[in-house]
Amino acid sequence: ELKVEQNPLFLSMQEGKNYTIYCNYSTTSDRLYWYRQDPGKSLESLFVLLSNGAVKQEGRLMASLDTKARLSTLHITAAVHDLSATYFCAVDGGGSQGNLIFGKGTKLSVKP
Amino acid sequence: DAGITQSPRHKVTETGTPVTLRCHQTENHRYMYWYRQDPGHGLRLIHYSYGVKDTDKGEVSDGYSVSRSKTEDFLLTLESATSSQTSVYFCAPQGREVQYEQYFGPGTRLTVT
Repeated sequence: ELKVEQNPLFLSMQEGKNYTIYCNYSTTSDRLYWYRQDPGKSLESLFVLLSNGAVKQEGRLMASLDTKARLSTLHITAAVHDLSATYFCAVDGGGSQGNLIFGKGTKLSVKP
Repeated sequence: DAGITQSPRHKVTETGTPVTLRCHQTENHRYMYWYRQDPGHGLRLIHYSYGVKDTDKGEVSDGYSVSRSKTEDFLLTLESATSSQTSVYFCAPQGREVQYEQYFGPGTRLTVT
């Protein structure tokens, strides 16, 4: 059974600081996704990582994938308040279903 | 994704009543998924569909059924609502590109009293 673990689950940061969110998964998977969710809102796709060594960047966020270690990271550079949200990683469950297996999410709070 | 709507957006219902949630998409996606989101659990798959009249169970399907009579509509029914089904429900059609990205609808907040 595929399991996805994120850590930390809660993260309080100061503006301007850097930090990394980790996403570990238990079995081989072809695709890894990062989503952002604001309170009371839906999930917004941030990154899709398809291969070992993939790195994608958008603004202050950078995501990477190491399929051998079964690890993805979401790195936050010089955090700003607008990045406050809950971040989910999700892994392709494989097989014919095509569903996503989600981590429990990391609630990020960026304080001035 | 602007092409995904869910209805109703909010609903309060009593234990034991049937409830149907609707997901409508305009992009002709073949695969569609229903997830529920609960604090501390992330999102969990309830049911999914891989085409008209083709559906299958997910991780937490007990107490739920689905139907898909048209490509654009995917219905989720709680046959007899229970308090444990109080949750936020998201529909997610899946794109056809190589990324197989799932696009989430706005969600339905359901409260069972």
